[in-house]
Amino acid sequence: AQTVTQSQPEMSVQEAETVTLSCTYDTSESNYYLFWYKQPPSRQMILVIRQEAYKQQNATENRFSVNFQKAAKSFSLKISDSQLGDTAMYFCAFMKVSGTYKYIFGTGTRLKVLA
Amino acid sequence: DSGVTQTPKHLITATGQRVTLRCSPRSGDLSVYWYQQSLDQGLQFLIHYYNGEERAKGNILERFSAQQFPDLHSELNLSSLELGDSALYFCASSEREGPYYGYTFGSGTRLTVV
Repeated sequence: AQTVTQSQPEMSVQEAETVTLSCTYDTSESNYYLFWYKQPPSRQMILVIRQEAYKQQNATENRFSVNFQKAAKSFSLKISDSQLGDTAMYFCAFMKVSGTYKYIFGTGTRLKVLA
Repeated sequence: DSGVTQTPKHLITATGQRVTLRCSPRSGDLSVYWYQQSLDQGLQFLIHYYNGEERAKGNILERFSAQQFPDLHSELNLSSLELGDSALYFCASSEREGPYYGYTFGSGTRLTVV
């Protein structure tokens, strides 16, 4: 069975600094997708970034980038130049694609950006 | 605006009652998914419809049911409501028969059962 673990329930970072949120997963699959979602105080869930497991290159979206370590089953999110608007709950998610798909969310990391 | 429309945004109802939550997917998306988010349970997958047909079922209670109509909008029906059903209910959509490119979420319906 697949699992997703976010070991940091809460984190804080000073505005303009860089922060890394960790996510580990467990699977026996070789092909899968990984995602990070952001849920700000407005509660809207927003897709931040997506990584395909068979691609070695780490995905980036503006100030957001991932460090994907397939062998270690690690998928961390780096936020550069943190802004107050980055304050949110961040969820890591895993998607199994072979056979019937399965989508699993982690429990989330609450990030607070400090002025 | 994500393009996924959920109504109503807020709902307060009494125990034992029945409510219907509505979702219109983003234009072009054929899949609709329902999730429940409560404080102590995180995001719980309820059900997935693709082009009118049920595709996957998660931890959905027998008191809950859903359907997707020919115009692709979906409704989630919650009956015999209990206090523990109070939660944020999200609808999400995707183009394909699975969220391979991620979910596009609506803004949610906050259900409070009193």
